[in-house]
Amino acid sequence: DIQMTQSPSSISVSLGDRFTITCRASQDIGNYLSWYQQKPEKSPKLMIYRATNLEDGVPSRFSGSRSGSDYSLTINSLESEDTGIYFCLQHKQYWTFGGGTKLELK
Amino acid sequence: EVQLVETGGGLVQPGRSLKLSCVASGFTFNNYWMSWTRQAPGKGLEWVASITNSGGSTYYPDSVKGRFTISRDNAQNTLYLQMNSLRSEDTATYYCTRVGGYGVMDAWGQGASVTVSS
Repeated sequence: DIQMTQSPSSISVSLGDRFTITCRASQDIGNYLSWYQQKPEKSPKLMIYRATNLEDGVPSRFSGSRSGSDYSLTINSLESEDTGIYFCLQHKQYWTFGGGTKLELK
Repeated sequence: EVQLVETGGGLVQPGRSLKLSCVASGFTFNNYWMSWTRQAPGKGLEWVASITNSGGSTYYPDSVKGRFTISRDNAQNTLYLQMNSLRSEDTATYYCTRVGGYGVMDAWGQGASVTVSS
């Protein structure tokens, strides 16, 4: 089974800051990686698919990248609406989620 | 607009059964694989079941294999999850999800809450 190790588990960031979340895959998943944002009491929302592709309607301050088995979500110039929990999902072999990152404002 | 609406959640005793439904609209249902994903209170997400667009093949993780059954009625644009032998650890919000290109879960319902407790 493919395991996804996501870090950090939580982070406090100031408005306008840049920050990055990372998921490490236990096996090669070949860019079959998506990122989701979840607001309290809401269902997850797809932000990035295939590691680097921005879903329609997602602000351009969000971006995805890959370095080896590490997949990253970066938010440039954080806005207040970006708070929430972020999850990665590998969909190369069945589906496995990362543990989540809770993003709060400092 | 893609819409997925889950129903059937509730409180159930351990060992009993429950069936969730998900009605889809806004897209051609029989063109897509579909899945169920759950989230225990305050916890992360866990894939629970998937089904091909024809319904001919199904997939489950070990945690629910043999207890849960996913099915679909393409004529009614409806996805189902039959959950048997429920355990306290099955307590969660269950999301119906559409599986798009490359296996991306690209649309989610609002979720159905299932509580397993005596």
